[in-house]
Amino acid sequence: EIVLTQSPVTLALSPGERATLSCRASQNVNEYLTWYQQKPGQAPRLLIYDASKRATGIPARFSGSGSGTVFTLTISSLDPEDFAVYYCQHRDNWPAIGFGGGTKVEV
Amino acid sequence: QVDLQESGPGLVKPSETLSLTCGVSGFSISSGRYWAWIRQPPGKGPEWIGSIYHTAKTSYNPSLKGRVTLSIDTSKNQFSLKLTSVTAADTAVYYCARQTLDGLDFWGQGTLVTVS
Repeated sequence: EIVLTQSPVTLALSPGERATLSCRASQNVNEYLTWYQQKPGQAPRLLIYDASKRATGIPARFSGSGSGTVFTLTISSLDPEDFAVYYCQHRDNWPAIGFGGGTKVEV
Repeated sequence: QVDLQESGPGLVKPSETLSLTCGVSGFSISSGRYWAWIRQPPGKGPEWIGSIYHTAKTSYNPSLKGRVTLSIDTSKNQFSLKLTSVTAADTAVYYCARQTLDGLDFWGQGTLVTVS
């Protein structure tokens, strides 16, 4: 079973700052890593798939990178609407999927 | 736009069966794709429960130890979840979603199910 570990658990930043979130996999997942954003009371929203591809309608300030076991989600300049929880997800043995524990980006 | 809507009881007694249905609009589930159930306990991260294809092929999370059954009704454009022998640990917001290789691209709003 692949385990995804996200760090930090909480990231305290201000609007306009750069956010760098990490997701580490316990085994090689190639580039098959997905990122979601979740705001309170809402379902998660697909942001990035295949490690670096933005989903439809996602602003260019969101970018993903990495392969193998180390992945990064970067928000180049935080907008007030970006303060939320972010989850990574692998698709090893798809359709079986697994999620990381999340990183909360707060003011 | 693909819309999904979960429905079912919000309160289930311990040891009983949790049953939810997800209605899909804006997309014919018989066209393809996997359809997934995800749950999220209060204050925790999401957990994949299982997925079903339009052919009724299923895949389940082994951690749920055979308590899960998914079914699909293409005539009603909906799919369903049954989780047996529930305990307080099964209290969560339950989501249905459309699943592609790229990820879970459309989600329902979620429904809180409390086991008590």
